Amino acid sequence: QQQVKQSPQSLIVQKGGIPIINCAYENTAFDYFPWYQQFPGKGPALLIAIRPDVSEKKEGRFTISFNKSAKQFSLHIMDSQPGDSATYFCAASRGGNLIFGKGTKLSVKP
Amino acid sequence: GAGVSQTPSNKVTEKGKYVELRCDPISGHTALYWYRQSLGQGPEFLIYFQGTGAADDSGLPNDRFFAVRPEGSVSTLKIQRTERGDSAVYLCASSRDRGRNEQFFGPGTRLTVL
Repeated sequence: QQQVKQSPQSLIVQKGGIPIINCAYENTAFDYFPWYQQFPGKGPALLIAIRPDVSEKKEGRFTISFNKSAKQFSLHIMDSQPGDSATYFCAASRGGNLIFGKGTKLSVKP
Repeated sequence: GAGVSQTPSNKVTEKGKYVELRCDPISGHTALYWYRQSLGQGPEFLIYFQGTGAADDSGLPNDRFFAVRPEGSVSTLKIQRTERGDSAVYLCASSRDRGRNEQFFGPGTRLTVL
């Protein structure tokens, strides 16, 4: 049973567009929801994270929206740039190891 | 400051051989995690250390996999009798402690079993 479901699998947007990546989770005990960015051949890099007591968090061009009742959260990238082209992973945890989604490959066209 | 480092960056071995993968966490981080990432998938948890002890090894796929962290800093993931299905990128992450969830990943070791 997949505990964190991520969609879409891939996404193509034009420069300046706002890609949105969605995740849904099963376990209501999860209390930490990070997003990671991964470039080919590199390890995942922490982008932004949220806890379930807030509905939205912004850091620079990245925003997490969190819906506790629906058990869903999403990543929005404002004014996307070709340099944002990477694979993005959502994850969830309950104070320990992270459980990751399967990833979304984002391509931002110039 | 230095991030998490892992060595080697690439390891090619033959089926049945023994391999060791090393992780150097961020200085002062007491929590250390190993994950495995197969092609096109998200990382999957293997084992977690708090200090020197393995606090959670529920993600290890079988008894061919073992990890140690004898002095509470560097960790080594050991795989015996490697199989082709073990081929993946092995990632190490560290955090200040278990209660602070921010985990910082190393670049990974790409293991190829021929």
